[in-house]
Amino acid sequence: GAGVSQSPSNKVTEKGKDVELRCDPISGHTALYWYRQSLGQGLEFLIYFQGNSAPDKSGLPSDRFSAERTGGSVSTLTIQRTQQEDSAVYLCASSFTGVNEKLFFGSGTQLSVL
Amino acid sequence: AQKVTQAQTEISVVEKEDVTLDCVYETRDTTYYLFWYKQPPSGELVFLIRRNSFDEQNEISGRYSWNFQKSTSSFNFTITASQVVDSAVYFCALSGRNTGGFKTIFGAGTRLFVKA
Repeated sequence: GAGVSQSPSNKVTEKGKDVELRCDPISGHTALYWYRQSLGQGLEFLIYFQGNSAPDKSGLPSDRFSAERTGGSVSTLTIQRTQQEDSAVYLCASSFTGVNEKLFFGSGTQLSVL
Repeated sequence: AQKVTQAQTEISVVEKEDVTLDCVYETRDTTYYLFWYKQPPSGELVFLIRRNSFDEQNEISGRYSWNFQKSTSSFNFTITASQVVDSAVYFCALSGRNTGGFKTIFGAGTRLFVKA
């Protein structure tokens, strides 16, 4: 596609349920990032994929969070047993190589945990 | 460790005023890149500028200018003659090798209100 695509744009779930957030990066981009933006807060780094290398998972806040990237393209961020504090906008970004390049962001998924 | 600090949480100015957004960074890398992004009310972050650690030349693009000073680890952003359309959250970011890989970290952002 022309830009980074994220789905769903909004997700409302009940506490304790699992959710999956999807990111479709720009075609040809080898680097993919997930960030979390809580209300009125900055961008919190979650995970970074670069090509076929092992992902940098250092930002994942707990073992309830996981992400995968299939075929070097689409990525799914999974949050298990959601908690109210997981409510935030989850942003995906991609770049051509990921090495100090500018990032192209999607519109984000607004997650609300009730 | 890498860190980006944007001490100004919110700034409010009147249209046509000049405004400077501060950014201070910390890194042990000798090669790194600094960025500014804009997040308008619509929500999608947009890239504004990238500078590398070897290029301290200031840059001007229209009403925007950036002042990079390695001596003070700062990369400040100035908007001249601000306009209502400049109202947004502005993020400073840092990218560099960090424990085995490159990743970009962001400051907390500065929310700019430009009033007509």
